[in-house]
Amino acid sequence: EVQLVESGGGLVQPGGSLRVSCTASGFTFSEYYMDWVRQAPGKGLEWVGRIRNKANSYTTEYAASVKGRFTISRDDSKNSVHLQMNSLKIEDTAVYYCARGGRYYDTSGYSYFYMDVWGNGTTVTVSS
Amino acid sequence: DIQMTQSPSSLSASVGDRVTITCRASQGITNYLAWIQQKPGKAPKSLIYAASSLQSGVPSNFSGSGSGTDFTLTISSLQPEDFATYYCQQYSTYPLTFGGGTKVEIK
Repeated sequence: EVQLVESGGGLVQPGGSLRVSCTASGFTFSEYYMDWVRQAPGKGLEWVGRIRNKANSYTTEYAASVKGRFTISRDDSKNSVHLQMNSLKIEDTAVYYCARGGRYYDTSGYSYFYMDVWGNGTTVTVSS
Repeated sequence: DIQMTQSPSSLSASVGDRVTITCRASQGITNYLAWIQQKPGKAPKSLIYAASSLQSGVPSNFSGSGSGTDFTLTISSLQPEDFATYYCQQYSTYPLTFGGGTKVEIK
């Protein structure tokens, strides 16, 4: 069974740091892109960032709201992806989901990645 | 950034009804659009990708259509388990962006 399990959430003060992780099972983790998406209380979904696979040099993309503060990394030997969050703000309070970047090919042969499997999320609360 | 606008933001419907949700992109995204379902207190779930391709295991009463800037999610016959919030999401261009969501409630 394909599964993603997040961990590491908790309460942190404004300006503090926290690392959340996502452990994958049931598929060849190293082949996939991985995303982080968050959801503030009572709000919609917000993409946080993406890390590509080794074939694409583990490059990353970030939302403007977190760029320079958050860093995504991965450890393919442990089937895990991490989100290091620094300089946390109250508005970073949210449930953080990891999602697998499922790949498909269009008619031209180009590959695209969409979020096809989601974890259950971990809650991060930034408060004094 | 590409803005994704969903309408309506909420709707009330009965079991068996046909439901249509629309999503408009602020610029053309070809067909790089996904639909995602989220039930209260639960994780999101992928329904459709490439605007009209059904995710494995998703019931066939869900369908998607559209290209360019205008997209539609249709539930042909609403079932009790379909009451949820639905989001569209574009993956044509970074940053990836979501619509604001459409909450489907019981009438």
